[in-house]
Amino acid sequence: GQQLNQSPQSMFIQEGEDVSMNCTSSSIFNTWLWYKQEPGEGPVLLIALYKAGELTSNGRLTAQFGITRKDSFLNISASIPSDVGIYFCAGQLVQGAQKLVFGQGTRLTINP
Amino acid sequence: KAGVTQTPRYLIKTRGQQVTLSCSPISGHRSVSWYQQTPGQGLQFLFEYFSETQRNKGNFPGRFSGRQFSNSRSEMNVSTLELGDSALYLCASSLWQGREKLFFGSGTQLSVL
Repeated sequence: GQQLNQSPQSMFIQEGEDVSMNCTSSSIFNTWLWYKQEPGEGPVLLIALYKAGELTSNGRLTAQFGITRKDSFLNISASIPSDVGIYFCAGQLVQGAQKLVFGQGTRLTINP
Repeated sequence: KAGVTQTPRYLIKTRGQQVTLSCSPISGHRSVSWYQQTPGQGLQFLFEYFSETQRNKGNFPGRFSGRQFSNSRSEMNVSTLELGDSALYLCASSLWQGREKLFFGSGTQLSVL
């Protein structure tokens, strides 16, 4: 089936550092979404991207829809302790269908 | 506006039993999707419902089924439970028309013993 390659799998950083993670695929996606999941909770939508080349920010978070439509990037600037969690990328193959393909997640740990 | 509500929060079942999970979407949302999350396989799409009709289905056996009611609430059922069905089952809702942003509930943690 479809797969998204998300990297890195885990990150251990100091508070205040910037973070970068990305997802790549062999397939072209219509939409890219980034979610954050904390223990015991469902994923929370952070950013949605709809056009190739689109760059969207949500506070300290910035995400980009790759121009090839096969990749996406998420950056977090000036990390804080509440940024801890697992970040997932998700791609939508078919416009109008709710079936998302998820990456395996990036686990972010922050040392205060 | 209340978020996606899933009940129960936790379930413990034994092999061979069946289970029904419930999901109430965000008010006004008409599409409901279900996902299975496990440490090994990650988040996997189960199925999607809109207007009481299944629109898409993932690669899961027929033991996994679902339905949607006229008020957009949804249930999923797993029959003849297997140990490998232990997972976090997540429901997500979205508006059908327009951009497809999925909003997830907190999930039902199912343990099969």
